[in-house]
Amino acid sequence: AQSVAQPEDQVNVAEGNPLTVKCTYSVSGNPYLFWYVQYPNRGLQFLLKYITGDNLVKGSYGFEAEFNKSQTSFHLKKPSALVSDSALYFCAVSNTGKLIFGQGTTLQVKP
Amino acid sequence: EAQVTQNPRYLITVTGKKLTVTCSQNMNHEYMSWYRQDPGLGLRQIYYSMNVEVTDKGDVPEGYKVSRKEKRNFPLILESPSPNQTSLYFCASSNPGGGYEQYFGPGTRLTVT
Repeated sequence: AQSVAQPEDQVNVAEGNPLTVKCTYSVSGNPYLFWYVQYPNRGLQFLLKYITGDNLVKGSYGFEAEFNKSQTSFHLKKPSALVSDSALYFCAVSNTGKLIFGQGTTLQVKP
Repeated sequence: EAQVTQNPRYLITVTGKKLTVTCSQNMNHEYMSWYRQDPGLGLRQIYYSMNVEVTDKGDVPEGYKVSRKEKRNFPLILESPSPNQTSLYFCASSNPGGGYEQYFGPGTRLTVT
């Protein structure tokens, strides 16, 4: 069965510091991997995706993610966090068109 | 503007009173889906539709119905709501196939008392 795990319920980081939000997955075949962000009282917004090719994927708002096939991970990263990055982040996987979401990680960036 | 709209955004109702949450997209997407979001559980798929008149169950379909009579609309129907259906609901749409990102509506917060 396909599954996605986000091992941290919350990540705290100081503004200006690098951030990482972790995601591991379990899926048969070649996965499509996604990151979405949810701001308070808003729907989910697409950040980036990995389909194939370069393991480092760049997305919106300066975010990037690294696909690691051997570790079945797809961690979200940003070199310098902003207070406005504070939100709920979801990792998701698909290989059949159906999205399977992780439970979400709250990112808190403090000034 | 490309968007997915949902109505209503907030709804408080009582057990057993039928309700419908509407969803509409203006991107000519073939694929549409409904999710519910509950704390600590992420988003779980309720139903999805690959195209007009084609719908299928997701992971948590019990207590819900859907229909897809037009490409742009995908309403979610709760025939007899119960308190365990209190949740935040999202509609989403995308092009078909696993590699396309989904576009989400703003959400409907439903409370069933």
